[in-house]
Amino acid sequence: EPEVTQTPSHQVTQMGQEVILRCVPISNHLYFYWYRQILGQKVEFLVSFYNNEISEKSEIFDDQFSVERPDGSNFTLKIRSTKLEDSAMYFCASTGEGWTEAFFGQGTRLTVV
Amino acid sequence: EDQVTQSPEALRLQEGESSSLNCSYTVSGLRGLFWYRQDPGKGPEFLFTLYSAGEEKEKERLKATLTKKESFLHITAPKPEDSATYLCAVQDGSSNTGKLIFGQGTTLQVKP
Repeated sequence: EPEVTQTPSHQVTQMGQEVILRCVPISNHLYFYWYRQILGQKVEFLVSFYNNEISEKSEIFDDQFSVERPDGSNFTLKIRSTKLEDSAMYFCASTGEGWTEAFFGQGTRLTVV
Repeated sequence: EDQVTQSPEALRLQEGESSSLNCSYTVSGLRGLFWYRQDPGKGPEFLFTLYSAGEEKEKERLKATLTKKESFLHITAPKPEDSATYLCAVQDGSSNTGKLIFGQGTTLQVKP
């Protein structure tokens, strides 16, 4: 069964450092997303990406965040200068036409120290 | 503003004891309502999408139903392996991106 793959599963970084979280969405999907979940809180939408550009972003997704689809398979989330409050699980998701089934990856646990 | 509220926050059941989880939502126009299962430290696992009031979908011991204001996830004769957090999410019809707005989840524990 097709699945969304995320790497790494866990990343520890120092405050102020840049991190790149990587995702391989399901191959025939067209819409890609990043969500995050702070421990004990709701899953929150960060950004959606379609046709090689951002289609929507939340208030959380400020200038420290960027997304890219550098090739035909990978989808990345970059945080330029990490803060303690960026510590969370980051989930990548993808969906096809009609957004009928959105599939999530297993997540990257980001710990900023 | 779109809102999703799930109740109860936590539910403990004995194996075989059926129950229901509730998801109340407020959106300007519902495109779809999604149910997910989430195990600790893992990503949400897709269960169902419902689109219109009166719709029902089933998968093993789970059945999801939808009204104009809420959705229920019925769990029939649960087993310990059904223990997880169940998440509800909505897609607003006014959005053209397919983003999901999640509730806080119901954590289900099924004891043998």
